[in-house]
Amino acid sequence: GQNIDQPTEMTATEGAIVQINCTYQTSGFNGLFWYQQHAGEAPTFLSYNVLDGLEEKGRFSSFLSRSKGYSYLLLKELQMKDSASYLCAVMDSNYQLIWGAGTKLIIKP
Amino acid sequence: IAGITQAPTSQILAAGRRMTLRCTQDMRHNAMYWYRQDLGLGLRLIHYSNTAGTTGKGEVPDGYSVSRANTDDFPLTLASAVPSQTSVYFCASSDSINEQFFGPGTRLTVL
Repeated sequence: GQNIDQPTEMTATEGAIVQINCTYQTSGFNGLFWYQQHAGEAPTFLSYNVLDGLEEKGRFSSFLSRSKGYSYLLLKELQMKDSASYLCAVMDSNYQLIWGAGTKLIIKP
Repeated sequence: IAGITQAPTSQILAAGRRMTLRCTQDMRHNAMYWYRQDLGLGLRLIHYSNTAGTTGKGEVPDGYSVSRANTDDFPLTLASAVPSQTSVYFCASSDSINEQFFGPGTRLTVL
């Protein structure tokens, strides 16, 4: 079967760095996406990785290792507004997104 | 309209009733999707449409139907609602295999 695993919840301090991991087992791979979802709102796109390596976009970076079925999202200089759920999703061989359950990130002052 | 809109925002429905959730996008995206999101679970694909006139079944299609008469609209119908269909429903659209853009969601409660 297809499976996306990510931690259920993480806590970090304002101004610090946090890394959210995602491991996957899917039928085929056509890229990995990270989305942010604030409580009661729709998911919004953060990043897309299809090749191995690190993609940096401002305070957010995303890493992919296809051989290990592994990705992480790195958030630097955490702000209170970063409190949200972070969703990992893999595009499978049918070009459908398989979603993880999300990681709820709690930022403390 | 800017992006994707969904209606209604929320709805309480008696079991056995028929309900249509509406979704409209103005980005001229070919692909559209319906997901449900339940606590502790990832987004699950109900139905999708790769282009106007075509639809396909996702992971959890039972009890739901869709149509795609034109590019902009992608309604989701529950023929006879059951309590297990209580969920938050998100419509999304995308241009090819790029990022998906989500509507604000419909919170549906079936009693």
